[in-house]
Amino acid sequence: GESVGLHLPTLSVQEGDNSIINCAYSNSASDYFIWYKQESGKGPQFIIDIRSNMDKRQGQRVTVLLNKTVKHLSLQIAATQPGDSAVYFCAENSGGSNYKLTFGKGTLLTVNP
Amino acid sequence: NAGVTQTPKFQVLKTGQSMTLQCAQDMNHNSMYWYRQDPGMGLRLIYYSASEGTTDKGEVPNGYNVSRLNKREFSLRLESAAPSQTSVYFCASGWGATDTQYFGPGTRLTVL
Repeated sequence: GESVGLHLPTLSVQEGDNSIINCAYSNSASDYFIWYKQESGKGPQFIIDIRSNMDKRQGQRVTVLLNKTVKHLSLQIAATQPGDSAVYFCAENSGGSNYKLTFGKGTLLTVNP
Repeated sequence: NAGVTQTPKFQVLKTGQSMTLQCAQDMNHNSMYWYRQDPGMGLRLIYYSASEGTTDKGEVPNGYNVSRLNKREFSLRLESAAPSQTSVYFCASGWGATDTQYFGPGTRLTVL
């Protein structure tokens, strides 16, 4: 079946380094993608999104890249800070009138001071 | 602007008991959602409401019922709780089908 998955379940980086979190998706019909951050004991928090007519989108310290050819999504965090430590999820929507987001299982990012 | 709020934050039930989880949003969103989150399983959609007056099943609807009370409120009911329903439940809301969903803080439910 269709699924969204992550290449790495855990990622440990040094404070100040750049972080890259990857996500593979298999539904070629997906046309909207979101990255969420979830801190321990809290709900998922929207970080950035991208639609399939784009291949890059930038926010504050974050960039999402979409490669439709290989069905790959990545989240880049610049100058990673201890407050960035969390689980990061990618989610996809297969478009049209489909209201359902399919979530990946998450990557735990740990930032070492 | 509180966003999405959920009550209660924590709940412990015995098998067979019933309860209703409440969710409200103040962002005037059209659609609302209920998810459960289990270790190693990610977020799974239980039910959603595309607009006021409509509800539809998600990926794991068995054992649950929902009510879209008005545009702001969307409740989730467990009629006869089972240990398999021990989970963290999140409510979310959004403008429409291909738009961002904003999540509440969650309800941590334990069924003994």
